[in-house]
Amino acid sequence: QVQLEESGGGVVQPGRSLRLSCAASGFTFSDYGMHWVRQAPGKGLEWVAVIWYDGSRKDYADSAKGRFTISRDNSKHTLYLQMNSLRAEDTAVYYCAAVEGGSYGGLDYWGQGTLVSVSS
Amino acid sequence: QLVLTQSPSASASLGASVKLTCTLSSGYSNYAIAWHQQQPEKGPRYLMKINSDDSHNKGDGIPDRFSGSSSGAERYLTISSLQSEDEADYYCQTWGSDIHVVFGGGTKLTVL
Repeated sequence: QVQLEESGGGVVQPGRSLRLSCAASGFTFSDYGMHWVRQAPGKGLEWVAVIWYDGSRKDYADSAKGRFTISRDNSKHTLYLQMNSLRAEDTAVYYCAAVEGGSYGGLDYWGQGTLVSVSS
Repeated sequence: QLVLTQSPSASASLGASVKLTCTLSSGYSNYAIAWHQQQPEKGPRYLMKINSDDSHNKGDGIPDRFSGSSSGAERYLTISSLQSEDEADYYCQTWGSDIHVVFGGGTKLTVL
């Protein structure tokens, strides 16, 4: 069955960096667009970034532009999110999600999330 | 700017039906949306996609109790024969290369 498993979250000081990973299985990873979505404590869902199925295009939310970098390794079935210059407002559970069709669409599959806490 | 509007809360009795609404902002009434369920302390789960022509595509394993429909700028999720495990937050979501991904604020469903 389809599985998306995020890892790499933790407690980090403001201004520092963190890299999240999302390991995929149970579907043809290289056919799916991949997204990062986050959820601050007690809040709703906020889209962060997308990478095309082949890595040819990446788009970011304004809140992530210039600080976060999405990437993927199709040979390892893994998605990444490099987060630099972290701020307190980046504190959230980060979810990866997969879209059949290669880029944008309804988010077909979701992971269980990894918590990032930015605090001094 | 595309905005998805959802009521913050809804409630219905065990065994009854409930209809949740997601409204697309003016000028975007032809956009498809997806519904997602988020049970407490869990990641979201894709339920279905609803197109402006009222067609829809359910996710794997989604029970027949969940159905979707569309009218103008409104997209609906109807849950019949409510069960306790349906108590969750429900989010609508839309997308496009120009708008990226947009979520509604979510509806917290309470099963009485």
